[in-house]
Amino acid sequence: GAVVSQHPSWVICKSGTSVKIECRSLDFQATTMFWYRQFPKQSLMLMATSNEGSKATYEQGVEKDKFLINHASLTLSTLTVTSAHPEDSSFYICSARGGQVTYNSPLHFGNGTRLTVT
Amino acid sequence: AQKVTQAQTEISVVEKEDVTLDCVYETRDTTYYLFWYKQPPSGELVFLIRRNSFDEQNEISGRYSWNFQKSTSSFNFTITASQVVDSAVYFCARADKLIFGTGTRLQVFP
Repeated sequence: GAVVSQHPSWVICKSGTSVKIECRSLDFQATTMFWYRQFPKQSLMLMATSNEGSKATYEQGVEKDKFLINHASLTLSTLTVTSAHPEDSSFYICSARGGQVTYNSPLHFGNGTRLTVT
Repeated sequence: AQKVTQAQTEISVVEKEDVTLDCVYETRDTTYYLFWYKQPPSGELVFLIRRNSFDEQNEISGRYSWNFQKSTSSFNFTITASQVVDSAVYFCARADKLIFGTGTRLQVFP
């Protein structure tokens, strides 16, 4: 149980275009989803916290107008990288909490999306 | 900022050796939770363990064991008789938003 599906697994786009990444909880309702970014050989950096039905909370230094997050349902959150640039190339991973939501519940992670901007 | 520090960037061992991955955390909370995750080369994150601040008992799960020392703010992870399949990056993390440490890359050679 507790499967999180992330799509696409990888994407290559041209500089200036926008890319949408989907994160779905397949067998549970995720009231809270998190988006992380991971550069090569580095740790996961939290970008934003997404709560169903409300605006996302962004971490300091993350541009909310560039990384648009929508959590329209209890099973789907999307991250749109707008006007992508080569420096946005990274591994983006979503995670979700569901069920009896407590802050200490383990997060269930998607398999990540590798974005390459040319 | 309340950091999670994994001082070992990379560790290389030969199969069957025991290896300990260190994790030191900072927190001002009296109640908190700590986690370990494994990230194999394929990239997905695999949950290994969760520990709350009130439970300092060591835990063992097969070849894995964890040593939680609240007095030193450490939550170390030991793999006994390491195997090639243990090669991965291991992250220590602290709740609530899951702040990750920098990770330790473990390479186990045959």
